[in-house]
Amino acid sequence: AAGVIQSPRHLIKEKRETATLKCYPIPRHDTVYWYQQGPGQDPQFLISFYEKMQSDKGSIPDRFSAQQFSDYHSELNMSSLELGDSALYFCASSLTPPDTQYFGPGTRLTVL
Amino acid sequence: QQQVKQSPQSLIVQKGGISIINCAYENTAFDYFPWYQQFPGKGPALLIAIRPDVSEKKEGRFTISFNKSAKQFSLHIMDSQPGDSATYFCAASKRAGGTYKYIFGTGTRLKVLA
Repeated sequence: AAGVIQSPRHLIKEKRETATLKCYPIPRHDTVYWYQQGPGQDPQFLISFYEKMQSDKGSIPDRFSAQQFSDYHSELNMSSLELGDSALYFCASSLTPPDTQYFGPGTRLTVL
Repeated sequence: QQQVKQSPQSLIVQKGGISIINCAYENTAFDYFPWYQQFPGKGPALLIAIRPDVSEKKEGRFTISFNKSAKQFSLHIMDSQPGDSATYFCAASKRAGGTYKYIFGTGTRLKVLA
């Protein structure tokens, strides 16, 4: 079965640079979620989109923005990167209903 | 403030034993409770999930027990195997806008000894 695709899988950036993470949901899924997971921590919800509209917002810094496109893929844009942004970033997708979230393999972002 | 409290933080079990991980929540608006398994560097994978109208759900070696009045739920892994060694997260979900928002527990690192 098709899964959530994330790219790139690894990304290394310098402080103050920008990064763009991409997420391709499972076919027919209409909802995308973004999470940030620090080492040894649980995933922290950043933002979600339903039918290309922002649905909910969590602890997402103002330096970050995201959108969902007409083909349902989503991009997380991160600007003015800080050392503390180094983490695993996961995208999850779901079909509403039943809303079970399926996670992608993640993008490991390292900020030097 | 952690809305979903998970324990223990780490767990060591002998092969063939039963692994038990507990979670508790406060918000009665939560209406969906999934468990995820995560291996290092990988994305969380859905193991099993339950809704509050059911007290128990079993899938293979994995069982969720749910106590609505106590606002607690637990994951039981029967006949634990070394391949089960991973971090397990419980989550509680509630509707937020047009979607369901997950609140994760802090995770339990399980090690199954061969």
